[in-house]
Amino acid sequence: DTAVSQTPKYLVTQMGNDKSIKCEQNLGHDTMYWYKQDSKKFLKIMFSYNNKELIINETVPNRFSPKSPDKAHLNLHINSLELGDSAVYFCASSQLLSVRHEQFFGPGTRLTVL
Amino acid sequence: AQSVAQPEDQVNVAEGNPLTVKCTYSVSGNPYLFWYVQYPNRGLQFLLKYITGDNLVKGSYGFEAEFNKSQTSFHLKKPSALVSDSALYFCAAGGSNYQLIWGAGTKLIIKP
Repeated sequence: DTAVSQTPKYLVTQMGNDKSIKCEQNLGHDTMYWYKQDSKKFLKIMFSYNNKELIINETVPNRFSPKSPDKAHLNLHINSLELGDSAVYFCASSQLLSVRHEQFFGPGTRLTVL
Repeated sequence: AQSVAQPEDQVNVAEGNPLTVKCTYSVSGNPYLFWYVQYPNRGLQFLLKYITGDNLVKGSYGFEAEFNKSQTSFHLKKPSALVSDSALYFCAAGGSNYQLIWGAGTKLIIKP
């Protein structure tokens, strides 16, 4: 019954590798997001999708590429991983593309790049 | 530029005492204001929001927040703190576009 789920929960990998994080929501929401939370707990929006269309694309290295195969899924692929990519990545969803609606967050994926 | 400020990195409160976590904002247009809580090793959870109407908003776990337009503030409050309230609290604000602006977070520590 998890509303927003992410896999994997933990990801440990070497520099230079390529990895993917998957996100699924079963809330019937139209909008999904990827956030990065660094070691100081700052939360930064990376991307947002509405009905599979990219809406927000913040200043993120182009090594990060989101993909939304359908409204319920938003995956994040990261190429050529760097040490600075180590963080917790959160997926979230909201009912509509509007700041009036609260966001529902997944449990996070802790990425460690060695 | 739009911004959300949480001026305190950490707030310490004794159990049973009232607590306040401060937030001020600067957004264009009418503000939409939110509080979220993050427990250790968990995702953020929605607590409450102000969209319009009554300036005092009540939310989950006995929390409330007061919207003050003149002071551009949306402080989170609870009359009697519990140890289990210890967590990281985020304020967020949205305005006339569809991007939510997040504060840096305030760590709330409730001591028994």
